[in-house]
Amino acid sequence: QVQLVQSGAEVKKPGASVKVSCKASGYTFTTYDINWVRQATGQGLEWVGWMNPNSGNTGYAQKFQGRVTLTRDNAITTAYMELSDLRSDDTAVYYCTRGRPSNFDPWGQGTLVTVSS
Amino acid sequence: QSVLTQPPSASGAPGQRVTISCSGGPSNIGNNAVNWFQQLPGTAPKLLIYINNERPSGVPDRFSGSKSGTSASLAISGLQSEDEADYYCAAWDDSLDSHVFGTGTKVTVL
Repeated sequence: QVQLVQSGAEVKKPGASVKVSCKASGYTFTTYDINWVRQATGQGLEWVGWMNPNSGNTGYAQKFQGRVTLTRDNAITTAYMELSDLRSDDTAVYYCTRGRPSNFDPWGQGTLVTVSS
Repeated sequence: QSVLTQPPSASGAPGQRVTISCSGGPSNIGNNAVNWFQQLPGTAPKLLIYINNERPSGVPDRFSGSKSGTSASLAISGLQSEDEADYYCAAWDDSLDSHVFGTGTKVTVL
């Protein structure tokens, strides 16, 4: 079955960077975009960006431009999200989800990133 | 801040019908498809409705979606206790060049 499995929780200090992975299985990795969405505790969903694994093309929410980088390793069907210059308000659960031509289906289990001094 | 507005809460007794609205604008709902997601407590979101009114396989037909102009709605008929969750609408926004999510609605089964 189609599955996205993310890396484990991270604790980082302000100003540091974090890289979260998303391992895809059960489908041809290069035929669907991967999107990233985050959710702070008790808050709503916030879109971070998308990546096309075939072309490597990316698009980012304006809020994260310059701080986020989406990459992939097609050989191991894994997508990555790196967020730099972390702040306390970046503390959230980060999800990957399969995008076009799908419609954000399915989602990974989420990765908690905690930013604390 | 979200550009798609939902009521913060909705509730109903078991068996009743609940409707959740999602209000947007010409650059998002007015020009693009709407998806709906269900998020059960402590879990990742799950696709519930795609392209305005289509249900993925496995989603009960108690859930239905509609869109008119710059607004969309999710209806849950025959409400069940397992439907207690947060519900989010989402669409692409042409002006922001971004996906945008609704503010979320918490559904409570009385």
